[in-house]
Amino acid sequence: GNSVTQMEGPVTLSEEAFLTINCTYTATGYPSLFWYVQYPGEGLQLLLKATKADDKGSNKGFEATYRKETTSFHLEKGSVQVSDSAVYFCALSDRGADGLTFGKGTHLIIQP
Amino acid sequence: GAGVSQSPSNKVTEKGKDVELRCDPISGHTALYWYRQSLGQGLEFLIYFQGNSAPDKSGLPSDRFSAERTGGSVSTLTIQRTQQEDSAVYLCASSLEGQKNQPQHFGDGTRLSIL
Repeated sequence: GNSVTQMEGPVTLSEEAFLTINCTYTATGYPSLFWYVQYPGEGLQLLLKATKADDKGSNKGFEATYRKETTSFHLEKGSVQVSDSAVYFCALSDRGADGLTFGKGTHLIIQP
Repeated sequence: GAGVSQSPSNKVTEKGKDVELRCDPISGHTALYWYRQSLGQGLEFLIYFQGNSAPDKSGLPSDRFSAERTGGSVSTLTIQRTQQEDSAVYLCASSLEGQKNQPQHFGDGTRLSIL
């Protein structure tokens, strides 16, 4: 079956630090990959996506590249802010009718 | 609003009661999904609708769970004879056509607490 593995954290960083959240996946087909973010007290929001190998998704200073050879989709940001504190979920979609397969989420805490 | 709307936002009920959760997707989205988010299990996919049809109900946790969608729009998730392990946040999402490359847009969820 399909699965997504990501570090759970919490990950604590200082403001302006470089961020990497690792995500690796297993899939039976050729999935699309997503990062979702859940800010405190809010719902899940799409952060970025990539639908084929070597695609780079980007949004709000975050980036992730679809690496088929390493089955990875690591999330990066060059300089984090306190407002980036949230839970980040890596997810894949292998077949639309099967819904999204999510990782367990990474709790990110940014200290001023 | 233009997003996915879920109601109620919070529901507290006694064990053994039935509950009905409602989801109103983004207008024009033919695909609708239900998920459950709990501390122990993370985010679990429950069921998918394409229009009014749910081709696979095997993701529903037990036969106490049922879901329907009418008019290709609003969906309801019903839990009969609730148990304490049903306590969770139930999330609804919609996408344009249900293709794997189309992002799903989530509502704020219904937080269900079973006493």
